[in-house]
Amino acid sequence: GQNIDQPTEMTATEGAIVQINCTYQTSGFNGLFWYQQHAGEAPTFLSYNVLDGLEEKGRFSSFLSRSKGYSYLLLKELQMKDSASYLCAVRDQAGTALIFGKGTTLSVSS
Amino acid sequence: DAGVTQSPTHLIKTRGQQVTLRCSPKSGHDTVSWYQQALGQGPQFIFQYYEEEERQRGNFPDRFSGHQFPNYSSELNVNALLLGDSALYLCASSLSTGTGVVSPLHFGNGTRLTVT
Repeated sequence: GQNIDQPTEMTATEGAIVQINCTYQTSGFNGLFWYQQHAGEAPTFLSYNVLDGLEEKGRFSSFLSRSKGYSYLLLKELQMKDSASYLCAVRDQAGTALIFGKGTTLSVSS
Repeated sequence: DAGVTQSPTHLIKTRGQQVTLRCSPKSGHDTVSWYQQALGQGPQFIFQYYEEEERQRGNFPDRFSGHQFPNYSSELNVNALLLGDSALYLCASSLSTGTGVVSPLHFGNGTRLTVT
């Protein structure tokens, strides 16, 4: 079966650091993606991990442990505009479809 | 550089009707995927088109069909609409090789379909 779990909601304050966790159990694995989706807008690509370890991109970092079926997205120096839904997705073995979690709604307050 | 464009942005249909949604991929992309996103859920994979053929299909009934044209644009057709088909339909484009997708998906803003 395919299962991707992430927390439903998280809250944080401006300037803080937040970590959004994602665990997955999928029949195949060909990379893990994080997308950001503001209400009423298209998901936008944030990061991609295919090997274990940390990928850093400005204020955003993503970590992957394939043996544990675990990833996290780390957001530093939070800004109000970071309030959005964050989607964890695994690319299937065929390398075509993305299997998404339900998303984590992050609310950043001042 | 135009991104992924979808039309229409909103659509209201009645149960039993048929609908066609359209998508133009980002320039330079050759692969189009369609996803259904219900409110409060993550996108669910419907199917992917590459070289004008359906390359892979998710767990959706045959009422959902699609097409890709030589210019890489795509259509999603849904027949015999049900209330449960109400959702945001997202098109995503990417670049492929013969063995799979090699670039991240770029999503359009979607078509909001309401079935009454």
